[in-house]
Amino acid sequence: GENVEQHPSTLSVQEGDSAVIKCTYSDSASNYFPWYKQELGKRPQLIIDIRSNVGEKKDQRIAVTLNKTAKHFSLHITETQPEDSAVYFCAASLSGGGADGLTFGKGTHLIIQP
Amino acid sequence: ETGVTQTPRHLVMGMTNKKSLKCEQHLGHNAMYWYKQSAKKPLELMFVYNFKEQTENNSVPSRFSPECPNSSHLFLHLHTLQPEDSALYLCASSQVNEKLFFGSGTQLSVL
Repeated sequence: GENVEQHPSTLSVQEGDSAVIKCTYSDSASNYFPWYKQELGKRPQLIIDIRSNVGEKKDQRIAVTLNKTAKHFSLHITETQPEDSAVYFCAASLSGGGADGLTFGKGTHLIIQP
Repeated sequence: ETGVTQTPRHLVMGMTNKKSLKCEQHLGHNAMYWYKQSAKKPLELMFVYNFKEQTENNSVPSRFSPECPNSSHLFLHLHTLQPEDSALYLCASSQVNEKLFFGSGTQLSVL
């Protein structure tokens, strides 16, 4: 089955700086890669996703890049703000997100230092 | 609210108890899921239902028994659990092959 590795497990950055979280996956057939943000005591919420026919996607301060050859994808957050503090999970799926569920990474605890 | 509601939010049970977790989605989705979230571990997929039919069972012990009576409701029946089953249990729904929306979860403690 699919295996997703995520690094780092904890990331501390100064407010205003950029943060990058990286994930690798094992199954070259995976074609959907979402990122979820989970604030303390709350549900995971989708913040951005990318499909395998695209190399990069941006949404305001958030971007995701995908390298299918190397089987890795990354989350980039620019101009970080205190409300970006949370745990971020990457995931991979063979079926575009639904039918077989998602395989998640272990999560990255992002800390924004004021 | 994302349209996925879970009850109860918190549950404490003994190892000999029987309890059920409930999930309801108001998004018109046709797929529903149970995930387990433990500290220091990835979210683990437990069960998948597509159009009320179970399509995935990730080697989950039989003390966890899912039930999906219709596309909007999903239950997880719990029986003779172990302390290591203590975790946050998250329900999610989606249109098949589309994005997952999670509920707020049930924080389960097994004593």
